[in-house]
Amino acid sequence: DAKTTQPNSMESNEEEPVHLPCNHSTISGTDYIHWYRQLPSQGPEYVIHGLTSNVNNRMASLAIAEDRKSSTLILHRATLRDAAVYYCILRDVRETSGSRLTFGEGTQLTVNP
Amino acid sequence: DTGVSQDPRHKITKRGQNVTFRCDPISEHNRLYWYRQTLGQGPEFLTYFQNEAQLEKSRLLSDRFSAERPKGSFSTLEIQRTEQGDSAMYLCASSLWPRETQYFGPGTRLLVL
Repeated sequence: DAKTTQPNSMESNEEEPVHLPCNHSTISGTDYIHWYRQLPSQGPEYVIHGLTSNVNNRMASLAIAEDRKSSTLILHRATLRDAAVYYCILRDVRETSGSRLTFGEGTQLTVNP
Repeated sequence: DTGVSQDPRHKITKRGQNVTFRCDPISEHNRLYWYRQTLGQGPEFLTYFQNEAQLEKSRLLSDRFSAERPKGSFSTLEIQRTEQGDSAMYLCASSLWPRETQYFGPGTRLLVL
C-alpha cells in the first residue's frame, strides 16, 4: 500500500479554518485519497474522498495538488466537536488490491475555545 | 439506518479464555470488515466479507482468530486462548460495495488480564 505522511498533531482555535496536510509522494494513478476521522472513544468516521479534482461536502473540502503527491483537508470553521484524530488514507480502486483501509497514525487535532 | 452496532462494548477476560464479539452491519450492506486498534495507533485491517464469503485475511489474523458471517448479515469474531497482547479495540465496519465508504461501529474494547 502507498504510504501517507501526516503531522502528529495540530492546534486550531474555534471558528477558524483548519488545513490538515498529507503527503503521499508514491501515490499511483489508481489510488483515491480518503480522509476519515476518529472522535474520542468512537469508531472512525468517513469525511471525504477524491481522485484528482478538489472536492467539497458538508463536512469539509479536499484540495489535491496537481501532481497528486499531496493533499489538504480543509475544515472551514473548526468547532470543539471537530477535535479528533484525522487519517489520510490511499485506497486503490482496483479490486485485485483488496478492500482494506490502511490507517497510519493520523493527525491529532486540538481545537481551542 | 441505525448504523453499525457491536456487542459487547467492553469485555474483560482472563488469559487463556475464549471470547466472541458480534457485529451487526447497516442493513443491506454487502461488505463487512474487522479491524483492530491498539492505544495510540490507527486501526489495522484483520479481515473482510463479501456477503457470507470471507475474501481476505490479514497476516495479523493468527489461527486463534476466526470470523464468520453465516447468513451474510451479522458477523462474529472469536478469539481462542486469549493472550495479553490481544488487548485492543476491535472495530467492525460495513459498506455497500462498490461504493467506497466504510461505516464503522463503536468498537468492542477487550482487556485480557
